[in-house]
Amino acid sequence: KQEVTQIPAALSVPEGENLVLNCSFTDSAIYNLQWFRQDPGKGLTSLLLIQSSQREQTSGRLNASLDKSSGRSTLYIAASQPGDSATYLCAVNRFLGNQFYFGTGTSLTVIP
Amino acid sequence: DTGVSQDPRHKITKRGQNVTFRCDPISEHNRLYWYRQTLGQGPEFLTYFQNEAQLEKSRLLSDRFSAERPKGSFSTLEIQRTEQGDSAMYLCASSLARSGHEQYFGPGTRLTVT
Repeated sequence: KQEVTQIPAALSVPEGENLVLNCSFTDSAIYNLQWFRQDPGKGLTSLLLIQSSQREQTSGRLNASLDKSSGRSTLYIAASQPGDSATYLCAVNRFLGNQFYFGTGTSLTVIP
Repeated sequence: DTGVSQDPRHKITKRGQNVTFRCDPISEHNRLYWYRQTLGQGPEFLTYFQNEAQLEKSRLLSDRFSAERPKGSFSTLEIQRTEQGDSAMYLCASSLARSGHEQYFGPGTRLTVT
């Protein structure tokens, strides 16, 4: 069974700092990796999808990279803002359109 | 594009009662997924549909749980004889092949079993 781990579990940074969130997975035979953000008591908002043939994806201040062979992905957030405070989840699937396996998330707090 | 919607947003029920949740996916999405999330954990997969066909069910989905997607559009998740351990957030997501099956989630239904 695919195991997804996210480190650290919680992170607190001052506003304006650049930061990296980590995601690792045990089975490198993945198809997609998706990063989500979740605000307290809310659903998940998709941030970036990386397909297995890709190495990275960028959206605004966010950049996600994927290294399948080592079973790792990173989410880089540039110039963090208080509005970035949320839990960030990564998820992987084995086949296209199949279920995702989620990590437990990194809770990010950006201090003004 | 109105996004994925779920109803109700909150449900409080007594142990032993039956509950039903509804999910309306993004209109052209042919895949629909149900997940369950408890506090401090990531979502756990329950089941998914391609159009009206239920393709996979998790072992988490006991015989008290049933899901349908009768016309390949909205879906319902029913829990019979609820137990306190069923208290969780129930999340629905949908996806489309041409967008790489990127999953879009609804706001969730928070179930509390007393």
